[in-house]
Amino acid sequence: RKEVEQDPGPFNVPEGATVAFNCTYSNSASQSFFWYRQDCRKEPKLLMSVYSSGNEDGRFTAQLNRASQYISLLIRDSKLSDSATYLCVVNKDQAGTALIFGKGTTLSVSS
Amino acid sequence: DAGITQSPRHKVTETGTPVTLRCHQTENHRYMYWYRQDPGHGLRLIHYSYGVKDTDKGEVSDGYSVSRSKTEDFLLTLESATSSQTSVYFCAISEAGVSEQYFGPGTRLTVT
Repeated sequence: RKEVEQDPGPFNVPEGATVAFNCTYSNSASQSFFWYRQDCRKEPKLLMSVYSSGNEDGRFTAQLNRASQYISLLIRDSKLSDSATYLCVVNKDQAGTALIFGKGTTLSVSS
Repeated sequence: DAGITQSPRHKVTETGTPVTLRCHQTENHRYMYWYRQDPGHGLRLIHYSYGVKDTDKGEVSDGYSVSRSKTEDFLLTLESATSSQTSVYFCAISEAGVSEQYFGPGTRLTVT
């Protein structure tokens, strides 16, 4: 199993749609989980951290399932500006000195 | 936005020449990282630093060295650049090893 695995997409959705991205990770000792957003030819930017109880930030909801080693990101009411690549990120081990980045899922929102 | 700058932003160099990339932060964060990003591979860790003069290797460290003589600066050196090192290089910082990382704008390096 790859350390962090994501469906590369692309996901093509109309404005206003709800879209969900999934991510699996291999190391059961991982403690930190994040979603990053990366626009074309730009640096990755932190979208949100993912907490055990799940968390929401506006139109974005992140969920963590430790038993299944699975992370999800839900985007509601998609906007054109949500078009980007979304990276699932997990810390490598208990020491936590390295983050492992998934290869990303590409989202394209059209009008 | 976190205060992270990278220089140069773009560089074209020839095979066999030495290259140094600089990352500068104004956040006083303890941890600094160098990544490379290539199509089909995503972000891969080259080296990281957990304090002044404290560095360690990442996943793809061969052909690269780093130095950190001040909290705010982390240098990445390609001793003898090869075409396989053509890539986009990102620097990142974090307060703690387990915490979120913030990225600089990247350096686009082409080795001909």
